[in-house]
Amino acid sequence: QVQLQESGPGLVKPSQTLSLTCTVSGGSISSGGYYWSWIRQHPGKGLEWIGYIYYSGSTYYNPSLKSRVTISVDTSKNQFSLKLSSVTAADTAVYYCARESYGLYYFDYWGQGTLVTVSS
Amino acid sequence: QSALTQPRSVSGSPGQSVTISCTGTSSDVGGYNYVSWYQQHPGKAPKLMIYDVSKRPSGVPDRFSGSKSGNTASLTISGLQAEDEADYYCCSYAGSYTLEVFGGGTKLTVL
Repeated sequence: QVQLQESGPGLVKPSQTLSLTCTVSGGSISSGGYYWSWIRQHPGKGLEWIGYIYYSGSTYYNPSLKSRVTISVDTSKNQFSLKLSSVTAADTAVYYCARESYGLYYFDYWGQGTLVTVSS
Repeated sequence: QSALTQPRSVSGSPGQSVTISCTGTSSDVGGYNYVSWYQQHPGKAPKLMIYDVSKRPSGVPDRFSGSKSGNTASLTISGLQAEDEADYYCCSYAGSYTLEVFGGGTKLTVL
């Protein structure tokens, strides 16, 4: 059973960079076949796809966030990470990591989510 | 504003059926058979309920069904149960540039 767990600071100051890590257990990122994704949910709002990465390092980003987002992978630790730069209060959200099968376009496993608040 | 349009809320009594719509464009819902639906209970992560418009993952009751007509996808829940009360989100593949778009979510209330 694949499990994903987000970790990182719950509070980030405006203009700084938000950094989160997702640790995958029960499966190996380097085995391929999956996109490893970041999705966020603003308080009381809907879901927003941020982007995903393949084990090879290929990345795909939401065009609306692309200029501020970097997703990276560390296969040795079975982790992938999100960096979102120049954050504002509008980036306050619950951030989820999730898995999507390559070429299948649905998210079958999700982390529990972590709330990140942007505030001074 | 979400890319896909869902009703803010729907409701139904136990045992009844409800349908939640998800309207997009020919660039997303209408252009591909890659619509998925997620159920989210308060404080929990979303759970995949339907993929590829109408397929159910293992373990999802057959009370949940999906369909699509033109640019609108639909999730139907029959034989409503109290535990079905949750938020529901649709998601569609939207091509090689935009990739994934979600709906704004629908709150289902079981009366």
